[in-house]
Amino acid sequence: DGELVESGGGLVEPGGSLTLSCAVAGFPFENFGFNWVRQAPGKGLEWVSFISSSGVTVYYVDSVKGRFTVSRDKAKNSLFLQMNSLTAEDTAVYFCARVSHIVAGPKWLDTWGQGTLVTVSS
Amino acid sequence: DIQMTQSPSSLSASVGDRVTITCRASQTISNYLNWYQHKPGKAPNLLIYTASSLQSGVPSRFSGSGSGTYFTLTISSLQPEDFATYYCQQTYSIPWTFGQGTQVEIK
Repeated sequence: DGELVESGGGLVEPGGSLTLSCAVAGFPFENFGFNWVRQAPGKGLEWVSFISSSGVTVYYVDSVKGRFTVSRDKAKNSLFLQMNSLTAEDTAVYFCARVSHIVAGPKWLDTWGQGTLVTVSS
Repeated sequence: DIQMTQSPSSLSASVGDRVTITCRASQTISNYLNWYQHKPGKAPNLLIYTASSLQSGVPSRFSGSGSGTYFTLTISSLQPEDFATYYCQQTYSIPWTFGQGTQVEIK
């Protein structure tokens, strides 16, 4: 039913930048929207961002607005999360997740990647 | 933003027990409520969508109910593989907030 594989995590200094990737396989990439969700150490899941199937509509949680940019590339079957001005509060495992293929009405996240760890520290 | 509050935050239970987790929304969300299971180091797994629909491949001992602001996830007979953290999530309005999680531990 499809696979999502995140990459690009690592150690970055405060104020630095990092770009995460999520490679998609096993289903038509262009038909689905995606989320980024993160989990800080010892904390719960936090919704971060949404990108629509077309890439035209994007949303962010307030804490990352103006610093994070979500995008997608059909040719690469991948989505990306560009993260700038990183702080210690951004330290987390970042998951990409597929949004259910429903045109209208309730949505859910039916396929998830295993996550990639981002550590912001000097 | 819609706040999602789960209770309890953690619970201890034995294999075979019936377990119920509740999730309350700070405003009405109709049935725009999903439940996920998460184990350390693994991808979260969708259990229930639209409050009461069982995701394909999920055992029938999992069930969900509720509408509006009050929702429940029930495990009818807890199995060893069910020890994990459970999250509710609303997708009624952006940001799609999660509850704080309920950790189910072995008694």
